[in-house]
Formats: sequence, structure tokens, C-alpha cells
Amino acid sequence: DSGVTQTPKHLITATGQRVTLRCSPRSGDLSVYWYQQSLDQGLQFLIQYYNGEERAKGNILERFSAQQFPDLHSELNLSSLELGDSALYFCASSAAGGADDEQYFGPGTRLTVT
Amino acid sequence: GENVEQHPSTLSVQEGDSAVIKCTYSDSASNYFPWYKQELGKGPQLIIDIRSNVGEKKDQRIAVTLNKTAKHFSLHITETQPEDSAVYFCAASSMEYGNKLVFGAGTILRVKS
Repeated sequence: DSGVTQTPKHLITATGQRVTLRCSPRSGDLSVYWYQQSLDQGLQFLIQYYNGEERAKGNILERFSAQQFPDLHSELNLSSLELGDSALYFCASSAAGGADDEQYFGPGTRLTVT
Repeated sequence: GENVEQHPSTLSVQEGDSAVIKCTYSDSASNYFPWYKQELGKGPQLIIDIRSNVGEKKDQRIAVTLNKTAKHFSLHITETQPEDSAVYFCAASSMEYGNKLVFGAGTILRVKS
């Protein structure tokens, strides 16, 4: 157990809908990362937050947004969902968000868009 | 941007044998190289990492080597056991890429007993 928690574990929704994925980092970690894992794209970095502020952005679609709250938990919002958004979404956390910080992953949320 | 290539894509070994997975990266600015193990239905688990000021690091049956000149790094697992069967990912990180990890495509390791 990495100490990173994610909810829900599974999510099934229809195209066009909006969902929110939630992540709580390990105790003491200030930085949160979101990744998408799909069969064709592999593990792709989406976005990073550090102590409530966006720090780095990857290949995140405009339909997706995220935020980190004062209690350091983070939410990833996915809107106008398409079939191709079906994937595993992982949250990771690190102590200080540096380039060589160890990142610890949560168990993931499996999103199925029908 | 950074690109990480990982080989082989699948690897089958007999229990007790060694397994080696290799990765190459494109950008010389990369300075942190973690390895993750992912079991079915679980998130990636950090198993070992190496930083650019070190050439080799070992933790029990697992070791990682780094060749910065050639821009490649490798994972070595000795005395493999059935519970080592999983998907292994290498990754590279650099401050120039905003601290993000760029992952290889993964290696499916099967340890036959």
C-alpha cells in the first residue's frame, strides 16, 4: 500500500457526461500528479500540482481540468466524455514535487465510457 | 521532448534465472530514472530508482545500472521468483520537462516455475 488513495475504483458513464476523480496524497506529501494509462498510449503524464498550485502540464485535453485543495487532496474533472477517454487514471504523490522526487502511485480509477 | 524506449516488450524466464530489461532515453538533461512494477489491477509500485550521479544501485535481488554517456539504463532481477511476474516500466525525469515522468512502454515479465 503506497498511502495514496483514489476514489472511486470504477466508474461507468455515458458519452457527453462529466465525472470527477478524487485523490488523497500520502501523509506529508505536497505534490500530486495525474496520469492516464491506456493500451495504445501507455502511461501518460497529465498534470502536476504542488501545494495547491499547478506546476507542470502534460498532454491534458482542454476538456479535462484539475485542482488541488488546501487539504492537499486533488480532483481531476473530465467533461464531454468520449469513448476514447476510457482508461485507467492514476494519481501519484511526492514530497516536494522535484524532478528527482520519488513518486508513489495510488490504485487508480478505471473509467469506462459507453 | 524526452522519449523513452524499453526492450523487450515481453520476457519469459525460468524461476531462478536472471531477467534484464533495458531502456534508452533521448535527452541528456534527464537526471532521475525510476523503475515501477505493476501487477494486474494495481497501480505502479516504485521498486528502485537511480539518479544521474550514480552508476549502479542494488536492493537485494534488484539492481539498476545507468550509462549516461550512452543514455541507457537497465533493470536486473536475479534469482527470479513467480511473484516477480508483472509489467515493469522504466521512466525518466528532468527539470526541463517540468518534473514529469516519461515512461517506457513496459515489459511483461513471466517467471515460469
